[in-house]
Amino acid sequence: GAVVSQHPSRVICKSGTSVKIECRSLDFQATTMFWYRQFPKQSLMLMATSNEGSKATYEQGVEKDKFLINHASLTLSTLTVTSAHPEDSSFYICSARAGLADEQYFGPGTRLTVT
Amino acid sequence: SQQGEEDPQALSIQEGENATMNCSYKTSINNLQWYRQNSGRGLVHLILIRSNEREKHSGRLRVTLDTSKKSSSLLITASRAADTASYFCATGPLDRGSTLGRLYFGRGTQLTVWP
Repeated sequence: GAVVSQHPSRVICKSGTSVKIECRSLDFQATTMFWYRQFPKQSLMLMATSNEGSKATYEQGVEKDKFLINHASLTLSTLTVTSAHPEDSSFYICSARAGLADEQYFGPGTRLTVT
Repeated sequence: SQQGEEDPQALSIQEGENATMNCSYKTSINNLQWYRQNSGRGLVHLILIRSNEREKHSGRLRVTLDTSKKSSSLLITASRAADTASYFCATGPLDRGSTLGRLYFGRGTQLTVWP
């Protein structure tokens, strides 16, 4: 149980375009989902916390207009990287929380490369 | 920064030996969690310890928490080659009246277990 999927697993896009990444909880309802980015051999940086049906809470320094988060249902959250630039190239990972549990279940990640 | 710091950054041992990784953090916490990440993949939850607990076991894993020193350790006993991965500690901050469930990750320890 507690499986989280992400789609796509890899994406290459041109500078200036937008990319949408989906995060789904497959066998549980996720009241809260989280989005992280990870640079090579570095830690996960929390970008935002997303609650179903409400606006995402962004961490300090994360541009909300650049990283659009939508959590339209209890099983789906999306992250859209708008007007992507090469410096946005990174590994984006989502996680989901079931109810008020403290553990998070992570998706397999999406490797974004902006050329 | 609310992130934790792992020590050492890299650890290389032989199969059968024990591996100890340490984590220090700066803020008050509700809980501390350890996760494992294989290269380029998502994270797998290993164990959670709450701020009022001092030690926890799960199979070959033993976690300790010292809130007075703001530190935790993860011990993997009788290590196997399959334990090779990056290990991260993550702190769940003490949010007054909030159940956001956010986690802040340390930089990780890269563990290599040689057969």
